[in-house]
Amino acid sequence: QQQVKQSPQSLIVQKGGISIINCAYENTAFDYFPWYQQFPGKGPALLIAIRPDVSEKKEGRFTISFNKSAKQFSLHIMDSQPGDSATYFCAALQGAQKLVFGQGTRLTINP
Amino acid sequence: EAGVVQSPRYKIIEKKQPVAFWCNPISGHNTLYWYLQNLGQGPELLIRYENEEAVDDSQLPKDRFSAERLKGVDSTLKIQPAELGDSAVYLCASSPRSNTGELFFGEGSRLTVL
Repeated sequence: QQQVKQSPQSLIVQKGGISIINCAYENTAFDYFPWYQQFPGKGPALLIAIRPDVSEKKEGRFTISFNKSAKQFSLHIMDSQPGDSATYFCAALQGAQKLVFGQGTRLTINP
Repeated sequence: EAGVVQSPRYKIIEKKQPVAFWCNPISGHNTLYWYLQNLGQGPELLIRYENEEAVDDSQLPKDRFSAERLKGVDSTLKIQPAELGDSAVYLCASSPRSNTGELFFGEGSRLTVL
């Protein structure tokens, strides 16, 4: 039972380009949507997060866009750099319930 | 501030053997999680602790998996006996409270069952 669907599975972007990863959910009770970044051999680390009362949140080169009516949210990485190459997971949380992760997107930034 | 510490980082065992993983969370974090991460997949929750109480173990295969968190600090996850399908990375995470999506993960314990 996949509660958060993430796409694409893999993505290749040229250095300086924009990376876009999308997620969709069904459970309207979700109230917190984080994105995690994971490098090989490491655990996931929180990158940026948003609550459904705002449509966009920006932190440096990373932006979350949130569409509550469509039940979709996306991560945009501006001016993508080789150091951004990693696996990205969207996730969703309902209150004090468990954090549910998407299947991940392997991002490769070509120099 | 020290992060979440897990050991061992790697473990290779024969099927039907037992294995145990240890986790030391960030100091002061009352909530501790064990997640399972299969290759190319997102983490899936196995068990969540609030202090020493397991408050969500609905996804833990209790016939072979067990966990404990003595004194509300360190935690151990055990598999006995291990099966081929248990090969995965076992991630431990902690957070200062339960109603937060900000989890701090350790580097994981990679299990290979032969």
